Parts: sequence; C-alpha cells; structure tokens
Amino acid sequence: NAGVTQTPKFQVLKTGQSMTLQCAQDMNHNSMYWYRQDPGMGLRLIYYSASEGTTDKGEVPNGYNVSRLNKREFSLRLESAAPSQTSVYFCASSAIEGGWVTGELFFGEGSRLTVL
Amino acid sequence: AQKVTQAQTEISVVEKEDVTLDCVYETRDTTYYLFWYKQPPSGELVFLIRRNSFDEQNEISGRYSWNFQKSTSSFNFTITASQVVDSAVYFCARSHRYGQNFVFGPGTRLSVLP
Repeated sequence: NAGVTQTPKFQVLKTGQSMTLQCAQDMNHNSMYWYRQDPGMGLRLIYYSASEGTTDKGEVPNGYNVSRLNKREFSLRLESAAPSQTSVYFCASSAIEGGWVTGELFFGEGSRLTVL
Repeated sequence: AQKVTQAQTEISVVEKEDVTLDCVYETRDTTYYLFWYKQPPSGELVFLIRRNSFDEQNEISGRYSWNFQKSTSSFNFTITASQVVDSAVYFCARSHRYGQNFVFGPGTRLSVLP
C-alpha cells in the first residue's frame, strides 16, 4: 500500500522562484492537510481540505496556495518562495465516517524544501 | 488561535524511569479529539492514541498511559519503565470533530539514556 505519497522529497529554490508540492493518497480519505515542520515549533497547519473542491486556511497560510482537484490529490504551491519558507513539509490525510473525522492522520514522508 | 501547549521542550531520563509528558489545549468546541503522535529520529510520524472529548476515562496500553482531564484542559502521557527506543519527539494534537483545526503542539523531545 502506497498510503500518502509526496513529491518531490527534496528541493532547493532561489528566492522568488515558484514550485508545487504534490500529494496523493490512495486510501479514499476525504480530509487532507498540509503542514510545515520547523525546529522547536512542531507541525503547523498550512491548509486543510475537507473534500474535493473545498479548502480552508490553517495557522500559517500566507505565501501558499492549495488545490484539491479530486479526492486523491492535494497540492501546495509556493508562488514566490522566500527563505522563511525553508522547512519540511508534510501532507496528511484522514477518513471521515458518519460525519466524524476518524482521527488518525496518515502522513507522507515529508518534503524538505530549502529556499536560498 | 486555539493552541496546544507542551511546556516541556526537552526531557532526559535514565532507562527504566517513568516519565510524564504534559499537554494543555485550548478549544471553544464542545466536541473535539485529542491525540498523541511520536516522531522517532527516522522522521516519520507515528499515531499513538485518539481520545474524544466526552470520554474522560484514562487509557493504558502496555507501558503507555494517558490521563485526560477536561476540567484542566490537559491530556498527559506517561511512559512507564522507559526504554532507549522511546527516545523521540512526542506531539500532542487537537482536532475539531470534522477534522478542521487539526493543530499540533510544539513537541517534547524525550531522550532515554541507557
């Protein structure tokens, strides 16, 4: 089982460049998430998607855009990368049953992004 | 913002000692979930437990136990007879029932020394 797959795993960008992090899950989950992880700050929620076509801002959405075109895929775009966006990014998904999130987040392996 | 606080940044214990990791959360919701995740040095995030807001029973799983106290908005995690393999960063998290605002605390780095 692939679970949650993120690409790329590593990326180096120059300030001002753009890029998209791709995420796909094969577990038929409704909810998908993007987090960034920085030392001492834990995982901070960037964006959340409850279902195809819907997205909501999390704690730190500035400088990012997301797209949930179908149930499987949830992409994160940096339009003009800044050094402050250097981080490890995690995509995650979770199932909804009977209107309740089941709880367990399934994480991808992470994408390490460096902005010079 | 409704935060999750883990006041202990780093804890070091000697193997076989018991250790408790503290978690305090904020929420305006009457119905919510609480979680603990483990991140070992390899980097992956490992789910440990989910607790919903209307179930305040403590839970024990092997050497792990969790104490949920709604009155103090705390969800503490105790490892009994710690082992070197328990060395990791532990994250507490809170979610709305529909999955929104799935927010993590800053984590506690636990080092278990042989």
